[in-house]
Amino acid sequence: EDQVTQSPEALRLQEGESSSLNCSYTVSGLRGLFWYRQDPGKGPEFLFTLYSAGEEKEKERLKATLTKKESFLHITAPKPEDSATYLCAVQSWSGGGADGLTFGKGTHLIIQP
Amino acid sequence: DGGITQSPKYLFRKEGQNVTLSCEQNLNHDAMYWYRQDPGQGLRLIYYSQIVNDFQKGDIAEGYSVSREKKESFPLTVTSAQKNPTAFYLCASSLRTGGNEQYFGPGTRLTVT
Repeated sequence: EDQVTQSPEALRLQEGESSSLNCSYTVSGLRGLFWYRQDPGKGPEFLFTLYSAGEEKEKERLKATLTKKESFLHITAPKPEDSATYLCAVQSWSGGGADGLTFGKGTHLIIQP
Repeated sequence: DGGITQSPKYLFRKEGQNVTLSCEQNLNHDAMYWYRQDPGQGLRLIYYSQIVNDFQKGDIAEGYSVSREKKESFPLTVTSAQKNPTAFYLCASSLRTGGNEQYFGPGTRLTVT
């Protein structure tokens, strides 16, 4: 069974204070790891897909990295508008199982001005 | 603009009533999905469909039903057999299944009393 654990559950930073969010996963064979941003009361917004260990993707102040056991979402010099819940999800080659994503519970990020 | 629409945004029903949630996409995506989100939990997969007239159960399909008569539409019916129907329901689509990112709609918040 695929499992995704995100830490910390909540993180409060000052504007400009860089940090990282962690996503640890257990899958039978990774098909893809996905990062999403979710604002309160809205649907998740797609950020990145990572497929293999060593892969990195960047978008503005966000950078996602992937190892064989975990992924990090690095936030550099965050701004208040980066405040949101960040979700990590995996899809595996479990074969015969659901083709959907297995999600972690998310990290609630607050950036204070 | 291409995207996924869900209606209504808020839905209220009495216990014992069936209710149908709408999901439409104009992205020309083959695959569509329904997830449920509860406070403090990750998104959980209810049903998914890879092509028209075909769909598969996800992890928590009991008490739900779906249809996929058109590529653009994937409605979800919450039946009276669902024991805890109050939740935030999210529809998603992807170009194909397998390693492709999923794009989410804005969600429908269902409250059953």
